[in-house]
Amino acid sequence: EAGVVQSPRYKIIEKKQPVAFWCNPISGHNTLYWYLQNLGQGPELLIRYENEEAVDDSQLPKDRFSAERLKGVDSTLKIQPAELGDSAVYLCASSLDGTEETQYFGPGTRLLVL
Amino acid sequence: QKEVEQNSGPLSVPEGAIASLNCTYSDRGSQSFFWYRQYSGKSPELIMFIYSNGDKEDGRFTAQLNKASQYVSLLIRDSQPSDSATYLCAVNRGSNYQLIWGAGTKLIIKP
Repeated sequence: EAGVVQSPRYKIIEKKQPVAFWCNPISGHNTLYWYLQNLGQGPELLIRYENEEAVDDSQLPKDRFSAERLKGVDSTLKIQPAELGDSAVYLCASSLDGTEETQYFGPGTRLLVL
Repeated sequence: QKEVEQNSGPLSVPEGAIASLNCTYSDRGSQSFFWYRQYSGKSPELIMFIYSNGDKEDGRFTAQLNKASQYVSLLIRDSQPSDSATYLCAVNRGSNYQLIWGAGTKLIIKP
């Protein structure tokens, strides 16, 4: 069974530029999570989807971050414009559904904003 | 006070010894507790979860949960150099299904 797929694995951009990350969850997993992880810290939830619906986006900085999960499968997270402080690893995870808390992570996208 | 607290370490343990990792949490309504392992530059991977008070064993790993004292621990028996990683504790928030993550404990197993 294929795991969670993310792309790109690495991204270097200049500040004020836009950037997008893509995630394909495990087949059949209805719940999808986007996390941000800084060095030496645990993952911090940005947004959680149940199928197409964003059920928890309270930690998403909506002035510059946006996300979508069309058709309830793949998801895209966008930052526009990027700031220096956005440099981090962006992790996508999925779980079977909202009541199944075991989450499976993708390899992450390491973002460096210069 | 952080919702989930872990000692950042590093915790250094000789090969073959027992490594003991601890995690405390603040939400008394939490019902589910998870231990993830994260190698440097990699993403977290699930080791085990525990829901009930007491011990749960899986191979060399044992999770211990004490809800009255609000702590959960992970014991690794016969530690191997390959166990060297950061161990993340995650606890569900009692009011919803969101997991709250600790900052992790870095474990180093010395050959």
